[in-house]
Amino acid sequence: SQTIHQWPATLVQPVGSPLSLECTVEGTSNPNLYWYRQAAGRGLQLLFYSVGIGQISSEVPQNLSASRPQDRQFILSSKKLLLSDSGFYLCAWSWAGGSQPQHFGDGTRLSIL
Amino acid sequence: AQSVAQPEDQVNVAEGNPLTVKCTYSVSGNPYLFWYVQYPNRGLQFLLKYITGDNLVKGSYGFEAEFNKSQTSFHLKKPSALVSDSALYFCAVRGSNTGFQKLVFGTGTRLLVSP
Repeated sequence: SQTIHQWPATLVQPVGSPLSLECTVEGTSNPNLYWYRQAAGRGLQLLFYSVGIGQISSEVPQNLSASRPQDRQFILSSKKLLLSDSGFYLCAWSWAGGSQPQHFGDGTRLSIL
Repeated sequence: AQSVAQPEDQVNVAEGNPLTVKCTYSVSGNPYLFWYVQYPNRGLQFLLKYITGDNLVKGSYGFEAEFNKSQTSFHLKKPSALVSDSALYFCAVRGSNTGFQKLVFGTGTRLLVSP
């Protein structure tokens, strides 16, 4: 079966510091990968998605970037965090194809001080 | 453009009573529809999906959803609610046109089941 891991679970960072959140998927190959941000426990905002190694699509211009150095690894980064980067970050995977559901990790709660 | 509306911010129901969480959608072409549940400080868990065929879809934990094309709705239902069903529920839609299409989520409905 497939599993998705995200870490860390919580993170407190000062403004202006760098960020690296990691997500890995096990039990499948060539998945589609996604990064979402959830603000205030409600709506999900798609930040990035990837359909293959090195292929990253950005949905919203912002202070963040994403990379996919390996087939089942997806990394969310920032060089300098802003207060507005606080939130709950969720990684998800799916098989290719529009009828396939996305499967989510347990998220990273990021607080910027 | 695709969109999803969950008109109720919160739904309150007594344990043992039936529950309905409403969802309406807008999409070009035929829809792929999904329901997810989220417990506090956790990721979203997939409950069920509608792709084609039978309008009544059965999913995990006794949940089901009814697809209504004329009303562009996909309401989530359960015949008998449990206190443990209390959580945040998201409806999502994607068009079935070829090419990558992102999944669009509603703003969520909080379900509160009282003992």
